[in-house]
Amino acid sequence: DVKVTQSSRYLVKRTGEKVFLECVQDMDHENMFWYRQDPGLGLRLIYFSYDVKMKEKGDIPEGYSVSREKKERFSLILESASTNQTSMYLCASSPPTRVSGNTIYFGEGSWLTVV
Amino acid sequence: SQELEQSPQSLIVQEGKNLTINCTSSKTLYGLYWYKQKYGEGLIFLMMLQKGGEEKSHEKITAKLDEKKQQSSLHITASQPSHAGIYLCGADRGGGNKLTFGTGTQLKVEL
Repeated sequence: DVKVTQSSRYLVKRTGEKVFLECVQDMDHENMFWYRQDPGLGLRLIYFSYDVKMKEKGDIPEGYSVSREKKERFSLILESASTNQTSMYLCASSPPTRVSGNTIYFGEGSWLTVV
Repeated sequence: SQELEQSPQSLIVQEGKNLTINCTSSKTLYGLYWYKQKYGEGLIFLMMLQKGGEEKSHEKITAKLDEKKQQSSLHITASQPSHAGIYLCGADRGGGNKLTFGTGTQLKVEL
């Protein structure tokens, strides 16, 4: 059974703290993604990665960075958390795009509250 | 950028009734994904459509991609309480499996 695991389901952090959200997939997928989900705005892509040590900005990268040192792990970093980063964060992974009709799998989500 | 409009935004149906959710794109769809989400949880993959006219079914859920590839519909037959949740469509932007999502349709099924 495929699995995308996000290490923390619920976090409460203070403004200015450095926050790490971890995501691990066990399917040997090349592609990994971080989205955030907000009411009325839907899911928006923050960053994605096609391979180890590779990363590209999505639609809303400001205030975030990512790290992919190993194929199975993709970390989202909030260098200095702010209240407008309070949100639900979702990690996803997929096989490479050359694989036709591939499925994109999502994790359970991480609820982050910044106070 | 591509935009996806889902309709309706919310839906309440009685158990046993059929329903349809629509997803309309401002651009040609290269791949259209349907997901279900329980509030506060992750997305569960339902189906993915790529070809114009394609139709896929899983249990009581059928999804279609129209011939012009700018609209998809999700149809649930004989709805059950287990169908309740938020249904999201996501469009592949044409490379790299990056998805643009609609804002979702919230479905409630009443006994």
